[in-house]
Amino acid sequence: AQSVTQLDSQVPVFEEAPVELRCNYSSSVSVYLFWYVQYPNQGLQLLLKYLSGSTLVKGINGFEAEFNKSQTSFHLRKPSVHISDTAEYFCASQTQGGSEKLVFGKGTKLTVNP
Amino acid sequence: SQTIHQWPATLVQPVGSPLSLECTVEGTSNPNLYWYRQAAGRGLQLLFYSVGIGQISSEVPQNLSASRPQDRQFILSSKKLLLSDSGFYLCAWGPGTKYEQYFGPGTRLTVT
Repeated sequence: AQSVTQLDSQVPVFEEAPVELRCNYSSSVSVYLFWYVQYPNQGLQLLLKYLSGSTLVKGINGFEAEFNKSQTSFHLRKPSVHISDTAEYFCASQTQGGSEKLVFGKGTKLTVNP
Repeated sequence: SQTIHQWPATLVQPVGSPLSLECTVEGTSNPNLYWYRQAAGRGLQLLFYSVGIGQISSEVPQNLSASRPQDRQFILSSKKLLLSDSGFYLCAWGPGTKYEQYFGPGTRLTVT
């Protein structure tokens, strides 16, 4: 069965510091991978996606993620965070050629402090 | 471009009352449609999804139901709400090519 694990439920950082939000997936077949961001009382917004090709994926708001097949990871990074990046971040996977459903991790709450 | 709408934005309902939440998508045809629930401090739980009119798949047994009366309309209903139905309900759509999903703004439901 497919699963997604976000290793940290909360990540506090200071403004302008780098951040990495960790995501590991488990699947017996190839997957597509996604990161979403959710600001308070809003829907989820797609940050970036990995479908195929280059393992380094760049998204909106200066975020990037690297697909590592051997470690089954898809960690999200940003070199310098802003207060406005405070939000919850969700990693998700979808089986290639399989179900129409996304499997989500439980989320990581990123808090950027001044 | 595609747009997804949900209403109402917030709702306070007494236990035992009925529920109807509506979701509509503009700018695309034959989308996959999804209903999720997000309880306080928890992740997303997929409730229902639909790949076409009248085709509904249920993920979690509960007192909720879903219907898709038109191609771009998805409705979440309940005949009698429970306290445990409180949460943030999100509708999403995805292209038929099975890639990413795009989410609506959500409905905050409080059952009192």
